[in-house]
Amino acid sequence: LAKTTQPISMDSYEGQEVNITCSHNNIATNDYITWYQQFPSQGPRFIIQGYKTKVTNEVASLFIPADRKSSTLSLPRVSLSDTAVYYCLVGDRFLGAGNNRKLIWGLGTSLAVNP
Amino acid sequence: SAVISQKPSRDICQRGTSLTIQCQVDSQVTMMFWYRQQPGQSLTLIATANQGSEATYESGFVIDKFPISRPNLTFSTLTVSNMSPEDSSIYLCSVEVQENIQYFGAGTRLSVL
Repeated sequence: LAKTTQPISMDSYEGQEVNITCSHNNIATNDYITWYQQFPSQGPRFIIQGYKTKVTNEVASLFIPADRKSSTLSLPRVSLSDTAVYYCLVGDRFLGAGNNRKLIWGLGTSLAVNP
Repeated sequence: SAVISQKPSRDICQRGTSLTIQCQVDSQVTMMFWYRQQPGQSLTLIATANQGSEATYESGFVIDKFPISRPNLTFSTLTVSNMSPEDSSIYLCSVEVQENIQYFGAGTRLSVL
């Protein structure tokens, strides 16, 4: 059974780089890796998505090794406002109406950024 | 991106009753999803709702309990039927604007007494 595994919690300090790793050993060829951030009383918010190698946007980087069995979300120079829960999602492509989507959510990593 | 409005934001209901949650999107989208999230836990996909076809339910979720409507490309409803306290949870809708990138509503916090 495919699943994603990530640390339950992490602690950091303002200005530090934070790396959160997600393990997805059974990832399939067509699966994407997506990371979301969730604050209390809000829905998850998209951070970054990748398929392989490295992806960078204005808020984060995503490192995916060649075997794709894990991925690492990197948050540079975190601030107090980055305190949130971070979810790793492994998902497949839409295969047409009537097909169940494969959307495997991790249990989330609760990141606490301290002053 | 997309802006999703979910109503109601919260409700307290009596067991045996039903609640319909509405999800409105500011643009036309094909893929919509309904999730359940217990406080402090991860997301559980209930069903995928594509306009023009029947909703596809995940294992453990059935249409009689969670009927879904998808009348057009900007709107969907999820009904939680014949509620029991076990249905108390946060219900989220999301849309997929680009492949595998979902945008979420703020959620509906449901308490069943």
